Amino acid sequence: ILNVEQSPQSLHVQEGDSTNFTCSFPSSNFYALHWYRWETAKSPEALFVMTLNGDEKKKGRISATLNTKEGYSYLYIKGSQPEDSATYLCAWGNFNKFYFGSGTKLNVKP
Amino acid sequence: DSGVTQTPKHLITATGQRVTLRCSPRSGDLSVYWYQQSLDQGLQFLIQYYNGEERAKGNILERFSAQQFPDLHSELNLSSLELGDSALYFCASSVASGGQSYEQYFGPGTRLTVT
Repeated sequence: ILNVEQSPQSLHVQEGDSTNFTCSFPSSNFYALHWYRWETAKSPEALFVMTLNGDEKKKGRISATLNTKEGYSYLYIKGSQPEDSATYLCAWGNFNKFYFGSGTKLNVKP
Repeated sequence: DSGVTQTPKHLITATGQRVTLRCSPRSGDLSVYWYQQSLDQGLQFLIQYYNGEERAKGNILERFSAQQFPDLHSELNLSSLELGDSALYFCASSVASGGQSYEQYFGPGTRLTVT
């Protein structure tokens, strides 16, 4: 069984707080790690694609790091805003197949 | 708007029936992926096509099949439908055959309800 796990399952923070989530995946046969932002009633939107151990990517207040040797990736949100409320999904790419975590649901209170 | 279109948006049908879901990828994208989001499960990868050829298979049932046509649109056929097939079906597209390193762009999804 190829498990991709995300923690925490849900998170409630105040506007302005910084937060981070974890995605754990099998460290063998790693090809890529994708992060998505998924708002309710919409479709997943790509945030980052990470392929190299030690990769760090940033888009505005959101950044991500990757450790392929130990099989984890962190997603950070600095100064959370209510519009950041969404489910954040990671997907582990194993050749052409993708295995998704169950997501971290973030709720940012104004 | 990702540029990926899916039709229909909603579909309600009875058990035992067959349905076809359609997906048009973003202009220039050659790969199409199909995913299933059931109520009690996360997003599950079903199948990938690249430029008309099947490239990878995930958790796709034998009752399901897909194809990608010369104009690059793709269809997912679901037959002998069961109640458990009720789900949101997404397609996504990317520019390359090896989707690992490239962003995938998701369509709005087709919600299938089997009664």
